[in-house]
Amino acid sequence: DTEVTQTPKHLVMGMTNKKSLKCEQHMGHRAMYWYKQKAKKPPELMFVYSYEKLSINESVPSRFSPECPNSSLLNLHLHALQPEDSALYLCASSQENEAGEQFFGPGTRLTVL
Amino acid sequence: GNSVTQMEGPVTLSEEAFLTINCTYTATGYPSLFWYVQYPGEGLQLLLKATKADDKGSNKGFEATYRKETTSFHLEKGSVQVSDSAVYFCALNPYGFQKLVFGTGTRLLVSP
Repeated sequence: DTEVTQTPKHLVMGMTNKKSLKCEQHMGHRAMYWYKQKAKKPPELMFVYSYEKLSINESVPSRFSPECPNSSLLNLHLHALQPEDSALYLCASSQENEAGEQFFGPGTRLTVL
Repeated sequence: GNSVTQMEGPVTLSEEAFLTINCTYTATGYPSLFWYVQYPGEGLQLLLKATKADDKGSNKGFEATYRKETTSFHLEKGSVQVSDSAVYFCALNPYGFQKLVFGTGTRLLVSP
């Protein structure tokens, strides 16, 4: 299995809702990432988990809360989002090796009303 | 600091034309270099990579060579197809870090 899966594919939520994005990989990778991508822009790193511990938080607002229940799963909990948070949210994973290539999932298209 | 500069798009070509998308980088140390492709409505797919100077990455007819002397990693394909229409991102990973640094992306449009 060489893919990263993400659910749901699309999500529409109101500003008072609580929702979660899920990501799963079965490649034995020990690093997992959340990115946010706005239209016509490159992905922006949000969080990095390494060996199930949060290693990088790129000063993301607290309305985004990551969680890594085990080495294969990564969640992103969403609460009290703003319309400007509407974007494509991408999950990625990687080995801890010299090349450092990351493998991306298909993304969740989030719309905040 | 670490940065990647890509040519502005869109790049518009006819089918079977030769493709070059320029990418130059600034980095400390010896980064790994990547090209990712993003088709409409999808995530990023790793297209090819190179981890040291003079390495050539290749995949699906695309090639790029890690040129340390010119700090470049230009993407080339000899004959593009309509199905190659997508956004192409050049990226680097500074050795020992976990942060990909992306260029701004170049949209490629191939017409029949």
